[in-house]
Amino acid sequence: GQSLEQPSEVTAVEGAIVQINCTYQTSGFYGLSWYQQHDGGAPTFLSYNALDGLEETGRFSSFLSRSDSYGYLLLQELQMKDSASYFCAVGTGTASKLTFGTGTRLQVTL
Amino acid sequence: NAGVMQNPRHLVRRRGQEARLRCSPMKGHSHVYWYRQLPEEGLKFMVYLQKENIIDESGMPKERFSAEFPKEGPSILRIQQVVRGDSAAYFCASSQEAGGETGELFFGEGSRLTVL
Repeated sequence: GQSLEQPSEVTAVEGAIVQINCTYQTSGFYGLSWYQQHDGGAPTFLSYNALDGLEETGRFSSFLSRSDSYGYLLLQELQMKDSASYFCAVGTGTASKLTFGTGTRLQVTL
Repeated sequence: NAGVMQNPRHLVRRRGQEARLRCSPMKGHSHVYWYRQLPEEGLKFMVYLQKENIIDESGMPKERFSAEFPKEGPSILRIQQVVRGDSAAYFCASSQEAGGETGELFFGEGSRLTVL
């Protein structure tokens, strides 16, 4: 089976940088994804790492270390609209599905 | 290009009734996934389907729940004899390639089931 761990809550001030960590245990690992979900809304895809290293997309970056079964999402220049829940998810090739973590609730304050 | 369409957005049922949730994937997407989300919790995988085939239903309860994705028409998640514990948001997602291989799923807005 698969299991993922991420912090339940993170608080940061507007303009700051925040890092959300994710550790996972899985078999048949394909890659690590990150999703954002605002209250009452649909999860939306942010990034995907299949290989070790850092992927940058605007203010958001995502990192993966396959040997450590670890990744993180880095959000820079935080804005109030970034207040949401962030989920890491692992892709496993055998069933081609995504298994999601329990989510990290980010609160951006003034 | 319309996104993933789910209906109804909100559904209220009494215990013992049936709930049918529908999902039309994005155009060109043949992979459909259903997830359940309880308040303040993560997304729990239920079932993965391709046209006319159930690929993985390991997350679906063995009783009362069923899913289909017919050759024509939307995917349907059916819950028979609903109980209060079935109250949740049910999200459908679709992808062009197998989601576990690309990491990217496109989600609908969800169907929120309330069982009285």
